[in-house]
Amino acid sequence: SQQGEEDPQALSIQEGENATMNCSYKTSINNLQWYRQNSGRGLVHLILIRSNEREKHSGRLRVTLDTSKKSSSLLITASRAADTASYFCAMVGGSNYKLTFGKGTLLTVNP
Amino acid sequence: SQTIHQWPATLVQPVGSPLSLECTVEGTSNPNLYWYRQAAGRGLQLLFYSVGIGQISSEVPQNLSASRPQDRQFILSSKKLLLSDSGFYLCAWEQGAYNSPLHFGNGTRLTVT
Repeated sequence: SQQGEEDPQALSIQEGENATMNCSYKTSINNLQWYRQNSGRGLVHLILIRSNEREKHSGRLRVTLDTSKKSSSLLITASRAADTASYFCAMVGGSNYKLTFGKGTLLTVNP
Repeated sequence: SQTIHQWPATLVQPVGSPLSLECTVEGTSNPNLYWYRQAAGRGLQLLFYSVGIGQISSEVPQNLSASRPQDRQFILSSKKLLLSDSGFYLCAWEQGAYNSPLHFGNGTRLTVT
């Protein structure tokens, strides 16, 4: 079934730096979504990018989508300690019309 | 505004005991409802989803079952827990068509001893 794979699995940066996380997938998609999960909490939806879009912004977040490479990236600019969390990509595609999640990237932003 | 409530937050249960986790959504009607499980350091595994009262679809065969007795209530159950049922259980809802953003509860940490 369709499942995204995030890269890297873990990322540690200093406050103020930019953080980039990547997501690759296997089959065609309708849209791709990014979620954030603070430790021990539920996931929070960040941004949705449709298959006919190439780039989308929301505050300090920038998401790109390259359907030819079957990949997406999430950029967090000017990171803050409060951005420390796991970030997941999720998509629907192939024969499965349910949202499936990757294993996530654990981002640690050091003060 | 819409809210989702999930309880309990944590639960420790012995092997062989029953389980009931509850999830309710407020401020919306006829949502699609989901149960996911997350193992430590892993992604989310979809367990069940429901598009309406009494309509339950299972994604993987296992020791768990789900029910939707009311439009905005989703219950995850087991008659006899296994050690492998330990994990972080998340309820989520979406409004409208598939591919909409999911809204998650705060989860239940289940430890089977």
